[in-house]
Amino acid sequence: GAGVSQSPSNKVTEKGKDVELRCDPISGHTALYWYRQSLGQGLEFLIYFQGNSAPDKSGLPSDRFSAERTGGSVSTLTIQRTQQEDSAVYLCASLSKGGANYGYTFGSGTRLTVV
Amino acid sequence: QKEVEQDPGPLSVPEGAIVSLNCTYSNSAFQYFMWYRQYSRKGPELLMYTYSSGNKEDGRFTAQVDKSSKYISLFIRDSQPSDSATYLCAMSAKSNTGKLIFGQGTTLQVKP
Repeated sequence: GAGVSQSPSNKVTEKGKDVELRCDPISGHTALYWYRQSLGQGLEFLIYFQGNSAPDKSGLPSDRFSAERTGGSVSTLTIQRTQQEDSAVYLCASLSKGGANYGYTFGSGTRLTVV
Repeated sequence: QKEVEQDPGPLSVPEGAIVSLNCTYSNSAFQYFMWYRQYSRKGPELLMYTYSSGNKEDGRFTAQVDKSSKYISLFIRDSQPSDSATYLCAMSAKSNTGKLIFGQGTTLQVKP
């Protein structure tokens, strides 16, 4: 597609439920990043994919968080047993192979609210 | 202490004012410096990119990097109401791998 697509755009879930967030990157972009933006905060790195591999997942806050990428395209971020502190906007960005970091294209994010 | 510090504001200025936004950082390995603009309920979009120290100008926007002081700035001249947004600084040690480290973001409002 023309841009990075994220779904759903908004998600309200009950504490303790699992959620799946989806990112569809720009076609042909090999690198994919997940960031989290809490209210009034900057972007916090979660995980980076190059193709289907995740060379850097150092930002995942706990083992309740996992992510995968299939076919070098769509990525899913899963949060198990959600907690209220997981409420945030989850942003995905993609980058073309060999592209410099300034070539990030961000999606509009998924706004997650845990009640 | 965070690697990148940015005053969250909010900053409110009248239309036509010159705006100065700043970030400080602690990691001397950072070489690539970016400013992103984020409108409400949208993803960040790249505004300016600078490598190493120096100035870069693009229309009404000027980015400055002072690596000796670990300080970067974004200046907006003749500010417009459409400039009202959150401005995030970001930086990286490498050009094409891994993550960007972001500041907290400064919320700017330009009043007509």
